[in-house]
Amino acid sequence: DTGVSQNPRHKITKRGQNVTFRCDPISEHNRLYWYRQTLGQGPEFLTYFQNEAQLEKSRLLSDRFSAERPKGSFSTLEIQRTEQGDSAMYLCASSFRRTGPQDEQFFGPGTRLTVL
Amino acid sequence: SQQGEEDPQALSIQEGENATMNCSYKTSINNLQWYRQNSGRGLVHLILIRSNEREKHSGRLRVTLDTSKKSSSLLITASRAADTASYFCATDNTDKLIFGTGTRLQVFP
Repeated sequence: DTGVSQNPRHKITKRGQNVTFRCDPISEHNRLYWYRQTLGQGPEFLTYFQNEAQLEKSRLLSDRFSAERPKGSFSTLEIQRTEQGDSAMYLCASSFRRTGPQDEQFFGPGTRLTVL
Repeated sequence: SQQGEEDPQALSIQEGENATMNCSYKTSINNLQWYRQNSGRGLVHLILIRSNEREKHSGRLRVTLDTSKKSSSLLITASRAADTASYFCATDNTDKLIFGTGTRLQVFP
């Protein structure tokens, strides 16, 4: 399977616990994005990387959230001290950025987080 | 925050009918993309239209873009029950996608 993969697919945790999600992009893609989607809404941008550099972070990404892409391949998104409001689907996407206009992003299946 | 809105929020049609969804956005864009999402799953890319294009086709899909009105439409012709899903438009002007609120399409057999 050469698509974007995410693990785990589902995560149930208690409020206050830390959670970490992993995203493996399409292998030749140099850009990796994280989005969050709550029920009935469209995805909202969180952050993105070009290779290992984190180029932009949304205001939605509070200091409890941290994302890394240490070798420019897979990425992790960690949420510390989870709150019930963090319950959502976390989506990862990747793309190949050439010079010129951006092309389509390919999404993974998402990690559904439930904070009890 | 959402860039814009899709209209209608929900649409129910019979198989074989055409479905039209509209998307409005607020700022200038490099391109606009349409995605489909089946219940509780990831997004599937359908079609990308660049800001200098006015219309694009892909199979049963037809997308138009009017940058003067900051709007786009997605037409699905000869719909099938398998087209039942949520459809999102997403605009790209700063290397990230800003999604609309989505249209929930139900196609009855």
